Amino acid sequence: SQQGEEDPQALSIQEGENATMNCSYKTSINNLQWYRQNSGRGLVHLILIRSNEREKDSGRLRVTLDTSKKSSSLLITASRAADTASYFCAGGDWNNDMRFGAGTRLTVKP
Amino acid sequence: NAGVTQTPKFRVLKTGQSMTLLCAQDMNHEYMYWYRQDPGMGLRLIHYSVGEGTTAKGEVPDGYNVSRLKKQNFLLGLESAAPSQTSVYFCASNNRGAQETQYFGPGTRLLVL
Repeated sequence: SQQGEEDPQALSIQEGENATMNCSYKTSINNLQWYRQNSGRGLVHLILIRSNEREKDSGRLRVTLDTSKKSSSLLITASRAADTASYFCAGGDWNNDMRFGAGTRLTVKP
Repeated sequence: NAGVTQTPKFRVLKTGQSMTLLCAQDMNHEYMYWYRQDPGMGLRLIHYSVGEGTTAKGEVPDGYNVSRLKKQNFLLGLESAAPSQTSVYFCASNNRGAQETQYFGPGTRLLVL
């Protein structure tokens, strides 16, 4: 089963717009992580938010976590063509189990 | 630092052949992981290791074996490849399991005919 499930599956926006992706998970987690994957490449870590945090910023990224709803969102502000990639969330628990969702494919048009 | 490297980058096998994928990390990480990624899907954990000489099964371990003889290396073996094992394989490492960021290699693309 997937710990993280992203929504939407695909998102297309214009450069300069904001992009919001959502993630839901099923069981209790220690943290929620977001990764980016450019086509044909490995995953690159973006941000980790712990279960006792509600919001976290990193540059143009903002992540929120709502443990009562078992959901998280990733906001990319002022998007650029270089942000075009697939974005994955993964819930990490205390038992070395980190499950990834199927990802959101983001396309930013110049 | 090279980070996490994987060898080979691409391989074509015939059904029934065997091969070993090598993952190496130079960050002195305790934990290492092997994942597979199929089209339109997220990563699924095959096996992982919490330290030299240890291995454990992940979500989809069948058809694979692993070894961690040296701390910096994690090998993934396919004893008798099947077309269902056509996938992209990613290795990752870190120091605190699922409680910390994982660092990924560039991937190995495997095609089993």
